[in-house]
Amino acid sequence: AQSVTQLGSHVSVSEGALVLLRCNYSSSVPPYLFWYVQYPNQGLQLLLKYTSAATLVKGINGFEAEFKKSETSFHLTKPSAHMSDAAEYFCAVTRAAGGYNKLIFGAGTRLAVHP
Amino acid sequence: EAGVAQSPRYKIIEKRQSVAFWCNPISGHATLYWYQQILGQGPKLLIQFQNNGVVDDSQLPKDRFSAERLKGVDSTLKIQPAKLEDSAVYLCASSLLARTGELFFGEGSRLTVL
Repeated sequence: AQSVTQLGSHVSVSEGALVLLRCNYSSSVPPYLFWYVQYPNQGLQLLLKYTSAATLVKGINGFEAEFKKSETSFHLTKPSAHMSDAAEYFCAVTRAAGGYNKLIFGAGTRLAVHP
Repeated sequence: EAGVAQSPRYKIIEKRQSVAFWCNPISGHATLYWYQQILGQGPKLLIQFQNNGVVDDSQLPKDRFSAERLKGVDSTLKIQPAKLEDSAVYLCASSLLARTGELFFGEGSRLTVL
């Protein structure tokens, strides 16, 4: 079975500061890992994904994440926060094997960016 | 390209009443999902369709929730009778390939049960 744990339900940073959102996963099989972003009153949008190719994955809006198998982590980072990054971020996992795979979401981290 | 369409966006009902949500996925997407997102939690999968067949409904409360995708395109999620704890946002998503995990979400239908 797969699961994800997002450390910190709320993160607050200053504009221009580093953004670090933490995600640890649990999976008995090689995982695919994802970060989705949800802006207020909108659906979720794919930010980036890891599918067993490069361990450092670049996504939209300057975000990136690094898959670390030894730490079972997939933390999301952005060097310099912008006001428009304020949103809720969800880490998700599914198994890499074929078939109809369930995508399991974490509880989410709400990012606030202040001037 | 049109995105995933959902309606209604908002619905307020009293407990024990019924409600239905409609979803039209992106054209050509064979896989359709209904997720329940309770305030402060991540989305939880209720049901997953591949074309018009159900591939996962293990977390669907079948005594009160039902869903169908009769022609393999649009889908309806029904709750009858509703309980207070059903207050949530119901998200519909679709994907081209089920195994990739790349889902496209609609804006959601927010349900308030009084």
